Amino acid sequence: DTAVSQTPKYLVTQMGNDKSIKCEQNLGHDTMYWYKQDSKKFLKIMFSYNNKELIINETVPNRFSPKSPDKAHLNLHINSLELGDSAVYFCASSLSGPDTQYFGPGTRLTVL
Amino acid sequence: QQQVKQSPQSLIVQKGGISIINCAYENTAFDYFPWYQQFPGKGPALLIAIRPDVSEKKEGRFTISFNKSAKQFSLHIMDSQPGDSATYFCAAKEETSGSRLTFGEGTQLTVNP
Repeated sequence: DTAVSQTPKYLVTQMGNDKSIKCEQNLGHDTMYWYKQDSKKFLKIMFSYNNKELIINETVPNRFSPKSPDKAHLNLHINSLELGDSAVYFCASSLSGPDTQYFGPGTRLTVL
Repeated sequence: QQQVKQSPQSLIVQKGGISIINCAYENTAFDYFPWYQQFPGKGPALLIAIRPDVSEKKEGRFTISFNKSAKQFSLHIMDSQPGDSATYFCAAKEETSGSRLTFGEGTQLTVNP
């Protein structure tokens, strides 16, 4: 039983392209997140949605646009990809009350 | 500004030894301190967490020690095993920030057989 799933697991693309990463959770959580993990493994939150409403929007380029069609899904669309966007992107989910965040397996994005 | 500082960056321990990872925070409003464990190619997973109303929490071989006055907390792994080899992240959260977790920089733990 997959709790938080992401697709694709690997994404290799050229600079300037537009790509999307999908995330789904079947835990019944109402809050979902996107994190970026750089080459030094530092984890930084990018966005958070609660009941489809954006509640955290860190200083992220406008090229990154999250979309939450429903509470169980949070997708990340990236326009005009740059070399510096290469990283592992993690989706996570939680209930807004309790504190445990459950992470997906990650999507390794490589921009050539 | 890094609000949660973690050390060491990497740690090598012999099987059966004690692994100790330390974290220090600045924001006194933080009121929840989890530790996450991440294996290569996987997402982080909650290992153990503590709130500032207690000074220690133990779950099996894993113990969190919390020092509120020093604004420090640490993870102790007793009887370290090769299967514990992973990256460990401390984190902190304040209730008023909603669900925002601030992570430390991570510690790469290697337990040699």
